[in-house]
Amino acid sequence: NAGVTQTPKFQVLKTGQSMTLQCAQDMNHNSMYWYRQDPGMGLRLIYYSASEGTTDKGEVPNGYNVSRLNKREFSLRLESAAPSQTSVYFCASSDPGARRVDQPQHFGDGTRLSIL
Amino acid sequence: KNEVEQSPQNLTAQEGEFITINCSYSVGISALHWLQQHPGGGIVSLFMLSSGKKKHGRLIATINIQEKHSSLHITASHPRDSAVYICAAHLNFGNEKLTFGTGTRLTIIP
Repeated sequence: NAGVTQTPKFQVLKTGQSMTLQCAQDMNHNSMYWYRQDPGMGLRLIYYSASEGTTDKGEVPNGYNVSRLNKREFSLRLESAAPSQTSVYFCASSDPGARRVDQPQHFGDGTRLSIL
Repeated sequence: KNEVEQSPQNLTAQEGEFITINCSYSVGISALHWLQQHPGGGIVSLFMLSSGKKKHGRLIATINIQEKHSSLHITASHPRDSAVYICAAHLNFGNEKLTFGTGTRLTIIP
């Protein structure tokens, strides 16, 4: 069972470069999320998608764009990377259910991104 | 002030000890999650609860809605329990987005 798959696992970029983090889930979940995790801080939501074709900003969306390509895939793009975007990025998915909170989120293994 | 706060930030205990990690939140919630993050970085959901108590093996999670407080207990702790434990809540109602605590780093010494 693959669950949530993120690629790449590690990446080093120079300031100003662009890249796309890929995420795919095989659980037929409707909702997908992108988080960043920084030392001393809780996971923070960057963007989420409640269903195919919809995306919404989270707590820290500046400097990022997302694309919900289909139900399985949700990508995160850094158009012009900045050192402040050095972080560990997690993708997650869930099927929230009728009350929107009935099911747990399933996380990928994370992408460690360093911006020099 | 974070809307979801955990204590302690760090906890070191001897193998076999009973462990308690606390989580408090400032507004009404519809559900609360406990997650485990191992040193390799992967995050796994342990519990999701909106009332009462849940148990899985040596792990027990409780929540008191009136006091806006949840606890995660580990009985007969083992070195393999060493990890970061994260509390996260669906703040307000019908909100599928999670707000996360900063985590508790647990180290169990053999």
